[in-house]
Amino acid sequence: DGGITQSPKYLFRKEGQNVTLSCEQNLNHDAMYWYRQDPGQGLRLIYYSQIVNDFQKGDIAEGYSVSREKKESFPLTVTSAQKNPTAFYLCASSMAGGLDEQFFGPGTRLTVL
Amino acid sequence: GQQLNQSPQSMFIQEGEDVSMNCTSSSIFNTWLWYKQDPGEGPVLLIALYKAGELTSNGRLTAQFGITRKDSFLNISASIPSDVGIYFCAGPDMSAGNKLTFGGGTRVLVKP
Repeated sequence: DGGITQSPKYLFRKEGQNVTLSCEQNLNHDAMYWYRQDPGQGLRLIYYSQIVNDFQKGDIAEGYSVSREKKESFPLTVTSAQKNPTAFYLCASSMAGGLDEQFFGPGTRLTVL
Repeated sequence: GQQLNQSPQSMFIQEGEDVSMNCTSSSIFNTWLWYKQDPGEGPVLLIALYKAGELTSNGRLTAQFGITRKDSFLNISASIPSDVGIYFCAGPDMSAGNKLTFGGGTRVLVKP
């Protein structure tokens, strides 16, 4: 089945630790995205990548880092510099950046204790 | 960047009712997307609109691309309990490299 997978579904970390969230897609999409969602809020763009080995900051990139070494994979690292990392993180992909519909993964809920 | 305003922010539905919600922008959009998010899940694309005035259905859902290109509407007919969730509108922000911008969502709840 084609789709986007995120793992794990739930993640707990101690304050001050870096943590990496996984996102994989087998849709052969060029573009991938990371969003953050806080309770009762909409989606805010963290980082996006329109092509392998290239990525751009979104609206709230501070305290996060990404890599795009493979077309299928776009991992997000939440660093200790992120002041309020507890949130629901959503990965998405689209055929090409911008005008195409984005398809979302199931999300990872990160809780920092 | 452009902002999308959704209304209402929340609504209660009773089974069998028709409900509607809308999304407005101060700038024109060339594409409107409607997503539904169930609790603890990722948003799922419901309907995509590409042309001003376009009316598109997906089962009991109907969405329209406003003629001014600054708004869009989503209607749910004969609502059922599984319609509960958050509905987001989205569109590419031409002032920000066509990155997708999302509205704040309309939360649909069941009337007690």
